[in-house]
Amino acid sequence: NAGVMQNPRHLVRRRGQEARLRCSPMKGHSHVYWYRQLPEEGLKFMVYLQKENIIDESGMPKERFSAEFPKEGPSILRIQQVVRGDSAAYFCASSPPSGTGSSGANVLTFGAGSRLTVL
Amino acid sequence: AQSVTQPDIHITVSEGASLELRCNYSYGATPYLFWYVQSPGQGLQLLLKYFSGDTLVQGIKGFEAEFKRSQSSFNLRKPSVHWSDAAEYFCAVGATGGFKTIFGAGTRLFVKA
Repeated sequence: NAGVMQNPRHLVRRRGQEARLRCSPMKGHSHVYWYRQLPEEGLKFMVYLQKENIIDESGMPKERFSAEFPKEGPSILRIQQVVRGDSAAYFCASSPPSGTGSSGANVLTFGAGSRLTVL
Repeated sequence: AQSVTQPDIHITVSEGASLELRCNYSYGATPYLFWYVQSPGQGLQLLLKYFSGDTLVQGIKGFEAEFKRSQSSFNLRKPSVHWSDAAEYFCAVGATGGFKTIFGAGTRLFVKA
């Protein structure tokens, strides 16, 4: 029973390149969340998605960042034209559908994170 | 909008001593409250959660937390700390009926022998 799978675990990009981070939610989970953790800081909410829908992207930078969760396949966080300030750990979390009880839907299961380094 | 404050950036306790990590939240209604732990290089693991009912909740690894509505607090406690508890601890609040969970900045726990 695999948990939340993120890849790659580590990614190095040069300024101006693109970074793609992937997240496969836990089996049975249909909600995906992306968080960013900067060094010595907490987790900042970026985006919440369900299959084929972006529900809340209030934490996403308006430019260069995008996220998707297609009908088939993993969720992808895409960062175009990366800059040094994008260097961070990006965590994906998933939760079950809202029909599985009012409490379960709010409990997040996290992946191990993808650490992006921009040179 | 909800928010979370963890006043202590670092805490050092001796092994075997008791521990209390502070958390204050801001939310207009009854919140969902969580504590997560993060070991170096790892993701976050849920320690415990409060949704309703008994305000003292028990979690894994011997941790407990108490919800105090009057103080808008959800402090984490452990009676006797083990060296393996050294990690970063995050308090989080979720909106009732919503799915956006907001995290505090974290408290890093150091355990000395």
